[in-house]
Amino acid sequence: GAGVSQTPSNKVTEKGKYVELRCDPISGHTALYWYRQSLGQGPEFLIYFQGTGAADDSGLPNDRFFAVRPEGSVSTLKIQRTERGDSAVYLCASSSPDRSTDTQYFGPGTRLTVL
Amino acid sequence: AQSVSQHNHHVILSEAASLELGCNYSYGGTVNLFWYVQYPGQHLQLLLKYFSGDPLVKGIKGFEAEFIKSKFSFNLRKPSVQWSDTAEYFCAVNSWMDSSYKLIFGSGTRLLVRP
Repeated sequence: GAGVSQTPSNKVTEKGKYVELRCDPISGHTALYWYRQSLGQGPEFLIYFQGTGAADDSGLPNDRFFAVRPEGSVSTLKIQRTERGDSAVYLCASSSPDRSTDTQYFGPGTRLTVL
Repeated sequence: AQSVSQHNHHVILSEAASLELGCNYSYGGTVNLFWYVQYPGQHLQLLLKYFSGDPLVKGIKGFEAEFIKSKFSFNLRKPSVQWSDTAEYFCAVNSWMDSSYKLIFGSGTRLLVRP
């Protein structure tokens, strides 16, 4: 079956602009995660959705970052007033409702470059 | 705070050499442990995972890992590496104490296998 998909694969923007990154999880997966991976680092947690609600947003770095998942499937990560330090690969992962024992499956990521 | 340490940032081996990548974690309570691999140009994929039971876990492609609770370690091993094992390897942990089960990753180890 289809895996987690993310669009766009690459996004180049200018400092101060607004960007949206999209994640389409595996069908039937109610848990959805966003992570950010900077160069030379492992992925860092941003936000977790269970269904439509953001159950844990403790990893969002500041209020410029926001994410939604209005229908419990596709999610959009939104970044306002982008800064050069936001440049990274943004990863999405999904897992089944039994997230205590299930694997998180990752998408290919969106590489964001802020000039 | 929870953290994962991977001791080797870069490892270079010749084909048929044995591999051991170190991973230590700092996390109170019961944990789940994972090794993910990212092959060049591909997305993160699960290599193996430990939830409970036998502390010696076998994964795909001949990899295995041993959970040593007293040492807070989950080292990855392979008796004989192949050129196709060239990739970046990430150790990760989550916990039953965290209802989101978000993953905490190490900074990764880049493995280069020379033919």
